[in-house]
Amino acid sequence: EDKVVQSPLSLVVHEGDTVTLNCSYEVTNFRSLLWYKQEKKAPTFLFMLTSSGIEKKSGRLSSILDKKELSSILNITATQTGDSAIYLCAVEASQGGSEKLVFGKGMKLTVNP
Amino acid sequence: NAGVMQNPRHLVRRRGQEARLRCSPMKGHSHVYWYRQLPEEGLKFMVYLQKENIIDESGMPKERFSAEFPKEGPSILRIQQVVRGDSAAYFCASSGIYPSSYNEQFFGPGTRLTVL
Repeated sequence: EDKVVQSPLSLVVHEGDTVTLNCSYEVTNFRSLLWYKQEKKAPTFLFMLTSSGIEKKSGRLSSILDKKELSSILNITATQTGDSAIYLCAVEASQGGSEKLVFGKGMKLTVNP
Repeated sequence: NAGVMQNPRHLVRRRGQEARLRCSPMKGHSHVYWYRQLPEEGLKFMVYLQKENIIDESGMPKERFSAEFPKEGPSILRIQQVVRGDSAAYFCASSGIYPSSYNEQFFGPGTRLTVL
């Protein structure tokens, strides 16, 4: 069964700290890995990773994929209270001719002032 | 250009009643995905539909749940005879292209179903 595991499941930090979120996966026919940020509404897309070792950056957020280790990390530097959210990792897997997203449970980040 | 719309945003049902959740995809999108998010769990795929077709329903519970995406109108996720365990947030996402580019999958705000 396809599986995506995130760690830690929750984290509390102070503004200005740097955090690293981990995501590991076991899926059949991996196609891509995606990170989402979910506040009190719909998940919003952050990154899509398909190639190993290539870092993607967007402001204070960055992410990289390691296909050998079947994992990805999401880094957030100089955290702000607005970064408080649930961060979801999802893997696009191909099964029987159909592609679907398999999500991890999410990591709840709380950034205190 | 309105995004993905879902209604109602909050729905309260008593055990045994029916719940109907609606999803209007983004303009021009013909692919709709339904996900369920249970408390303390991630999003779980339920069903993928195109207009008038169910493409993949491998994530749908075998009983009481059904989905449709008619030629005209929104996609409907229907839950018959709801039970407490159905209480969850149900998200709809739409995309205009398949099978690649999941970064093009846009999520609606979700419907929070509470079963009393």
